[in-house]
Amino acid sequence: AQTVTQSQPEMSVQEAETVTLSCTYDTSESDYYLFWYKQPPSRQMILVIRQEAYKQQNATENRFSVNFQKAAKSFSLKISDSQLGDAAMYFCAYMEYGNKLVFGAGTILRVKS
Amino acid sequence: NAGVTQTPKFRILKIGQSMTLQCTQDMNHNYMYWYRQDPGMGLKLIYYSVGAGITDKGEVPNGYNVSRSTTEDFPLRLELAAPSQTSVYFCASRTQNTGELFFGEGSRLTVL
Repeated sequence: AQTVTQSQPEMSVQEAETVTLSCTYDTSESDYYLFWYKQPPSRQMILVIRQEAYKQQNATENRFSVNFQKAAKSFSLKISDSQLGDAAMYFCAYMEYGNKLVFGAGTILRVKS
Repeated sequence: NAGVTQTPKFRILKIGQSMTLQCTQDMNHNYMYWYRQDPGMGLKLIYYSVGAGITDKGEVPNGYNVSRSTTEDFPLRLELAAPSQTSVYFCASRTQNTGELFFGEGSRLTVL
């Protein structure tokens, strides 16, 4: 079974600074999706960014970008110019094409003003 | 657009009672999922469906049942509720192509 590991239970960042959240995954497949979801205290699951494994270019969405290392099975999220509204639980997730989404245990991000 | 709608949002059950969590989506998505999230933890897959009439077990299916009679609806049934089923339940759906899941707002269930 595929597994997703987030080794940082909690991270802190100063407002306006940059932070990187780590994620590794285990799979024998070559085609799949990777995601970062944000869960604020409202508990709503919000898609932050998505990466398709066949694309070599790292995905970016405004202040959010990923470092996708396919051979190393690593998928880290970089948040630039951190804002108070970025404080949340962040989940890394893996999906094979046409199948179910598997989540990591999550990383709590705290943003200090 | 309503998206994915879950009801109820909150419920307290007594041990041994049964209930159904309702999930409806209006995006004509084929794939639908039920996850549970225990406090401070990630989401674990209970059941999923790839289309009407087709369901399959996820990581933690014991104590639950599902059905998928229509594309829109994917109810989750809890039989003989146990304290271990105290959790927040999320329903989600997606198209076949994009992979992105659209989540409902969650249902908080407490079993006492």
